[in-house]
Amino acid sequence: LAKITQPISMDSYEGQEVNITCSHNNIATNDYITWYQQFPSQGPRFIIQGYKTKVTNEVASLFIPADRKSSTLSLPRVSLSDTAVYYCLVGSLAGNTPLVFGKGTRLSVIA
Amino acid sequence: NAGVTQTPKFRVLKTGQSMTLLCAQDMNHEYMYWYRQDPGMGLRLIHYSVGEGTTAKGEVPDGYNVSRLKKQNFLLGLESAAPSQTSVYFCASSYQGANGQPQHFGDGTRLSIL
Repeated sequence: LAKITQPISMDSYEGQEVNITCSHNNIATNDYITWYQQFPSQGPRFIIQGYKTKVTNEVASLFIPADRKSSTLSLPRVSLSDTAVYYCLVGSLAGNTPLVFGKGTRLSVIA
Repeated sequence: NAGVTQTPKFRVLKTGQSMTLLCAQDMNHEYMYWYRQDPGMGLRLIHYSVGEGTTAKGEVPDGYNVSRLKKQNFLLGLESAAPSQTSVYFCASSYQGANGQPQHFGDGTRLSIL
C-alpha cells in the first residue's frame, strides 16, 4: 500500500494562498493523485486530480514534481468557507492498485 | 439531483446483530465504493465494485460483505457487528476507476456498536 503523509493541521489568514503538501514515496506508475475537501457531517468533495506536472481548475492548483513522490495542493486567496479537512488520495485500481487516503489536513482560516 | 444516497443516516446496534447499509446512485456510474472513516485515520476502502455483479476487497474487508445486484445499488453488510466496527461509513461512485474520474460521495452513515 502507498504510504501517504500529510500535515495534521494548518492555519491561515483570509486572503492568503495556502499550500498543503502530501508525501507519497512509493507511488505506483498507474497511480493518480486526487484531493478532496470535507466539511463536518458531509462526505468528501472532489477538488482536483493530476498525474504529473501542474493542473489548475477554477478552485485550486495541483503541483506534482517529476519524481511524483509528493504533491502540493494550492488554494489561492482562502476565505473562511475554506475551513475544512483536506485529503490526499493516491491510487488507480488499475492492476488492483488500491486507493489509499492520507489522514487529512485540517485547515483553519482566520479572519 | 440526488447523486449518492445512503440509508440509514444513523444506527445503533448491539454486538452480534446484523444489518445492511444501502447506497444508491442515480448517475449511471460503473464504479462504487464503501469506505469507513475513523478519527485520525482518514478514509479506508472496505470493498468496491467495478460493475454490476462484481465486487472486490479493499484495504479493510474483514467482517464485511457486499453485493452489487443492480448497477445503481451497492449494499454493505455486517453479519455479526463488533464494537470495532463503530465508525462513519461512506459510499462513493465514479463513472470509471480513479484515473481522471472523481468519486462522488454520500453524506455517510454513522454506526455505533454497543
